[in-house]
Amino acid sequence: EPEVTQTPSHQVTQMGQEVILRCVPISNHLYFYWYRQILGQKVEFLVSFYNNEISEKSEIFDDQFSVERPDGSNFTLKIRSTKLEDSAMYFCASRNRLASTDTQYFGPGTRLTVL
Amino acid sequence: EDKVVQSPLSLVVHEGDTVTLNCSYEVTNFRSLLWYKQEKKAPTFLFMLTSSGIEKKSGRLSSILDKKELFSILNITATQTGDSAVYLCAVRVPGAGGTSYGKLTFGQGTILTVHP
Repeated sequence: EPEVTQTPSHQVTQMGQEVILRCVPISNHLYFYWYRQILGQKVEFLVSFYNNEISEKSEIFDDQFSVERPDGSNFTLKIRSTKLEDSAMYFCASRNRLASTDTQYFGPGTRLTVL
Repeated sequence: EDKVVQSPLSLVVHEGDTVTLNCSYEVTNFRSLLWYKQEKKAPTFLFMLTSSGIEKKSGRLSSILDKKELFSILNITATQTGDSAVYLCAVRVPGAGGTSYGKLTFGQGTILTVHP
């Protein structure tokens, strides 16, 4: 069964460093998302992406964040200058284009630890 | 602000018990409600509900939506230790400008622990 994959599974970085989290969505999906979950808190929406552009972003997704689909398979989240409060689990999700199949499928997540 | 609230926050039962997990929501433009099971990592899709009163069933799990009272329940019968997980409820609302991209607003989850 096709699945969303993410790398790395765990990333440790120093405050102020740039990180890139990578995702490979399910191959026939066209809508892509990033969510994050700070330890002990809710899963929160960050950004949605369709047709090579951001369709919506939350207030969390400030200028330090960017997303890109550099080729036909990868979908990346970049944090330019990490802060301690960016420590969280980051989930990528994808959905196909059929309105009747609303389901977003999630990857296993990348645990980001900012020291 | 869109809100999804789950109850209870945690539940401890023994194998064979039946559990009911609750999810209530207040959103401006409801499209669908989804249940996920989260073990160590990724939320795994369980059900998507869009219509009131129609039960979705998968093995020992079932779920129903009440769009008038704005809630959903997830039932698990004859629980097993493998059912131990965090169960997440999420509501899909349209994207900005009513677009179809949509985003999920999650509840805080119910931690279910099933003892042998």
